[in-house]
Amino acid sequence: EPEVTQTPSHQVTQMGQEVILRCVPISNHLYFYWYRQILGQKVEFLVSFYNNEISEKSEIFDDQFSVERPDGSNFTLKIRSTKLEDSAMYFCARGGMIETQYFGPGTRLLVL
Amino acid sequence: GIQVEQSPPDLILQEGANSTLRCNFSDSVNNLQWFHQNPWGQLINLFYIPSGTKQNGRLSATTVATERYSLLYISSSQTTDSGVYFCAVEGNYGQNFVFGPGTRLSVLP
Repeated sequence: EPEVTQTPSHQVTQMGQEVILRCVPISNHLYFYWYRQILGQKVEFLVSFYNNEISEKSEIFDDQFSVERPDGSNFTLKIRSTKLEDSAMYFCARGGMIETQYFGPGTRLLVL
Repeated sequence: GIQVEQSPPDLILQEGANSTLRCNFSDSVNNLQWFHQNPWGQLINLFYIPSGTKQNGRLSATTVATERYSLLYISSSQTTDSGVYFCAVEGNYGQNFVFGPGTRLSVLP
């Protein structure tokens, strides 16, 4: 049974459109993370979310990105106005300090 | 921030061979994990190993935290072992992972 599920598995969008990526942890955890992986490159940290607030964010996580946990279970990453360079695999992870992080299967985003 | 290096960048093996993948990191860590990224892009957690040695079937891992490196051993490799292996570390001052560049493993039949 997967620890984390993500929807959609794939999304194609036009440049300038908004996209919302969703993550559903199977069990209750306080820490959540979003990472991205541009094709052929390494996985990069975007943002961590602890107790319903942003805990830490990277330089990549600029004003076009936002995260929320709107209903207490789903965890979303919103990209307000997509750019071509936002095409990547986006991973959600759950875990905590000094414990295993479990990654979801990812959402493959393609911006045309 | 913490730096993570992995070697070799690419590795080609015949089925049945053994291999060792290395991860070096530049600072003390709270957490270190090894992942296998399969051809579908999924990150499969292999080991949570901030220190010590663990084994799971044909795979084992050792982390020597004082010397800032970790090793992943794959024995009797199979074609299904192909993919990219990532080491990721969590430093003492942050909760997020810093990933290494990965080792791309190809196991030939």
